[in-house]
Amino acid sequence: DQQVKQNSPSLSVQEGRISILNCDYTNSMFDYFLWYKKYPAEGPTFLISISSIKDKNEDGRFTVFLNKSAKHLSLHIVPSQPGDSAVYFCAASSGNTGKLIFGQGTTLQVKP
Amino acid sequence: GAGVSQTPSNKVTEKGKYVELRCDPISGHTALYWYRQSLGQGPEFLIYFQGTGAADDSGLPNDRFFAVRPEGSVSTLKIQRTERGDSAVYLCASSLQGSSYNEQFFGPGTRLTVL
Repeated sequence: DQQVKQNSPSLSVQEGRISILNCDYTNSMFDYFLWYKKYPAEGPTFLISISSIKDKNEDGRFTVFLNKSAKHLSLHIVPSQPGDSAVYFCAASSGNTGKLIFGQGTTLQVKP
Repeated sequence: GAGVSQTPSNKVTEKGKYVELRCDPISGHTALYWYRQSLGQGPEFLIYFQGTGAADDSGLPNDRFFAVRPEGSVSTLKIQRTERGDSAVYLCASSLQGSSYNEQFFGPGTRLTVL
């Protein structure tokens, strides 16, 4: 069973516009959510996170929104840059265990 | 500073063989994680060490998979009697402590191909 789902395998956006990546989860015990970014032949790198007690967290061009009632989170990147082109993974954890459950990933392409 | 390193970067083996994959975490990180990433999927949790002990091995798919971290630093993931379905990228990550709130730093992975 896929507890964390990213239903869009790919997204293409023009440079300077907003990129919105979506993620849904099924386990109501998840209390911490993260986004990771991955370039080819490299390991994922941490981007931004949000605790379940918040509904928004912002870091520069990146903002994560959490809607607990809908079990949905999204990552907004604005303005998008060509260097943002990568695979983005949503991840979740519960009980501060360190164990992360990842979604399938969304490949973002930002066109110049 | 050095990040997480994994060796080998690529491993090709034949069905039924035994393989060992090595992970060198960031110095001082007490927590170490192994994940497996199949084509088109996200990383899948396998096992997590806090120090020398396995704090959670619930993700190991079966008893052919085993991991050790004898001195609380380097870890080795061991796969016996490999099967074609074991082909994947095996990722290692480390963090200061075994907490979801501590950033996990990932290595580049070992690509395992079982023929």
